[in-house]
Amino acid sequence: EAQVTQNPRYLITVTGKKLTVTCSQNMNHEYMSWYRQDPGLGLRQIYYSMNVEVTDKGDVPEGYKVSRKEKRNFPLILESPSPNQTSLYFCASSLMRGQSSYEQYFGPGTRLTVT
Amino acid sequence: GNSVTQMEGPVTLSEEAFLTINCTYTATGYPSLFWYVQYPGEGLQLLLKATKADDKGSNKGFEATYRKETTSFHLEKGSVQVSDSAVYFCALNTNAGKSTFGDGTTLTVKP
Repeated sequence: EAQVTQNPRYLITVTGKKLTVTCSQNMNHEYMSWYRQDPGLGLRQIYYSMNVEVTDKGDVPEGYKVSRKEKRNFPLILESPSPNQTSLYFCASSLMRGQSSYEQYFGPGTRLTVT
Repeated sequence: GNSVTQMEGPVTLSEEAFLTINCTYTATGYPSLFWYVQYPGEGLQLLLKATKADDKGSNKGFEATYRKETTSFHLEKGSVQVSDSAVYFCALNTNAGKSTFGDGTTLTVKP
């Protein structure tokens, strides 16, 4: 089954404790992206990757890191989480983004709470 | 930068009512436009899309037309069902890789 998987689905952590949210897709997509969803703010793009070893900042990259060493994986790293990073996070992937017409496939989401 | 403005919600309709959710955008170049739907506890999934001016996207009775002159991509459905209750997001993609989403509109359809 074609899908985007994220782990963990739920995470409660404390301020300053480094964490990684994994994202993997099995559709051989070149493009991957991370978003956060907050009430009243919709989805905001954190980072995206057009291909392996190519990453770029989205609209809200502060406090986050990403890497794209393999085509299928795109982990999101919070080196020192803070309470304002409490949110619902989505990973997404799509075919080549040299063209804008391809839709994104979303993972099920990771609900992160930072206390 | 790019932006997407959606009609504020929540929207509550009776079954079989007509639905319109407004969406306008600002973007440089020629973006592609999308409507995504999010059911409770799930990720977003594509509802429909349009990739150039005057294109009409349609799926499951929903339609939206890419209007470059008014920079709009309004979502419509002639007769909603209870199962259409969800959050709807308007979005645009650029060739450069950035994606911009609206704030989402929550639709509740009552029997």
